[in-house]
Amino acid sequence: AQSVAQPEDQVNVAEGNPLTVKCTYSVSGNPYLFWYVQYPNRGLQFLLKYITGDNLVKGSYGFEAEFNKSQTSFHLKKPSALVSDSALYFCAVRDMSAGGSYIPTFGRGTSLIVHP
Amino acid sequence: SAVISQKPSRDICQRGTSLTIQCQVDSQVTMMFWYRQQPGQSLTLIATANQGSEATYESGFVIDKFPISRPNLTFSTLTVSNMSPEDSSIYLCSVDDGYNEQFFGPGTRLTVL
Repeated sequence: AQSVAQPEDQVNVAEGNPLTVKCTYSVSGNPYLFWYVQYPNRGLQFLLKYITGDNLVKGSYGFEAEFNKSQTSFHLKKPSALVSDSALYFCAVRDMSAGGSYIPTFGRGTSLIVHP
Repeated sequence: SAVISQKPSRDICQRGTSLTIQCQVDSQVTMMFWYRQQPGQSLTLIATANQGSEATYESGFVIDKFPISRPNLTFSTLTVSNMSPEDSSIYLCSVDDGYNEQFFGPGTRLTVL
């Protein structure tokens, strides 16, 4: 079984400050991890993914995420937040072990609000 | 990458009627997915639609309520049948590009009165 948790419903940050959106996961095998962003009245857009290799993954719009196997986390980060980053962020996991699901499981989403 | 379009973008329907949502992809893909999303909430997978086979439905979703067609590798439809206000939601089409990425359509916002 695979699952993902986003412990915060909402994250508030001032423009220019660093931001972190948290994600933890549970899989029986090796995880593939993803972050998506959803702007109001839009579909989900892919931000970044971790498959293998470097634990720090860089993605679109200046976002990055760090894979931490011991803590089973994949937190999304950005050094300096913009008001335009305000959106709903989804973490997703896929278990790539034999017998794992090829369909990712999505977290419940975290609303990021960046204040001017 | 894949570019996905959905029709209609939104609709307001009367209870007891049905609505068919279309999903068009700009490239051939094997796996297509239909999700439901309550506004501001997470995604719930309805079914997986692979070309040439019957759709696979997730627990809580049945073919009679959500019939799906997948006539070719670039197109799929989802019908929401005998609608009730509880079916009011955003319906999203998604595809897997074969490289462990999913791409999503813009969604269809359905309101049932």
